[in-house]
Amino acid sequence: AQSVAQPEDQVNVAEGNPLTVKCTYSVSGNPYLFWYVQYPNRGLQFLLKYITGDNLVKGSYGFEAEFNKSQTSFHLKKPSALVSDSALYFCAVRPLMEYGNKLVFGAGTILRVKS
Amino acid sequence: KAGVTQTPRYLIKTRGQQVTLSCSPISGHRSVSWYQQTPGQGLQFLFEYFSETQRNKGNFPGRFSGRQFSNSRSEMNVSTLELGDSALYLCASSVQTGSGANVLTFGAGSRLTVL
Repeated sequence: AQSVAQPEDQVNVAEGNPLTVKCTYSVSGNPYLFWYVQYPNRGLQFLLKYITGDNLVKGSYGFEAEFNKSQTSFHLKKPSALVSDSALYFCAVRPLMEYGNKLVFGAGTILRVKS
Repeated sequence: KAGVTQTPRYLIKTRGQQVTLSCSPISGHRSVSWYQQTPGQGLQFLFEYFSETQRNKGNFPGRFSGRQFSNSRSEMNVSTLELGDSALYLCASSVQTGSGANVLTFGAGSRLTVL
C-alpha cells in the first residue's frame, strides 16, 4: 500500500536555527514527492517537488528537501527558521505508476518557530 | 491572476441533507481534484476531473459525487449527510493531468459542519 509517514506531530525550533521536518514514504517504484504548507484558514501552498536528478531540491521561501532513495525519505529543511514559517506542513507522494493528480498525503507536521 | 475559488466557505447542514460545493479553477487549468481534510483521517483524495471526465476516484462511498463543466468549473455533491462528513473540503486545480508531477493549486476550502 502507498503511504507517507511524518513521524513528528510537531516540531519546535527557535528563530534563526535550522529546521528539519521529516518524511518517509512507502510506495512501489520511484515516486514523485512534494511538500505543501498550510496556514490557518487557508488551502495548501506548494513548496517544492522531486521528480528525478539532483537529490537536493530547492523550493519556495528558502526551503529545500533532500531525497534519499535508500532510506525512502524526503526531509524538508531550512537553514534559518523564521517565525512566519510557523504552519502545518504536508509531505505527499504520487507514485509513478499512477495516472493523474492523485496525491497521498502524510498526516502533517505542525512547525512552531519561536522568537 | 485569480486563484482557485471555492464557495461557500462555510456551511452548516443537518444529517440526512445533501450539499453541493463549487470550485472555480485558475483560468486555463483543466484538471480539478477534490480532497477531504479531517483531524482524524488527514487529507484524503476524493476524485479528479479533467475535460469533464472523472479520471480518478478515491475510496469514498457513492454518496460523494462530482462533475465538471465545459468551463472547467467543478462541483461536488454529498447526499444523505452523516456526522462524519464534517470536514474541510479542498479543491485543487492543475494545468493538466497525466503522468507528470503536476503542481496543484489549492483553494481555501469549504468547511462543512453536519449537525
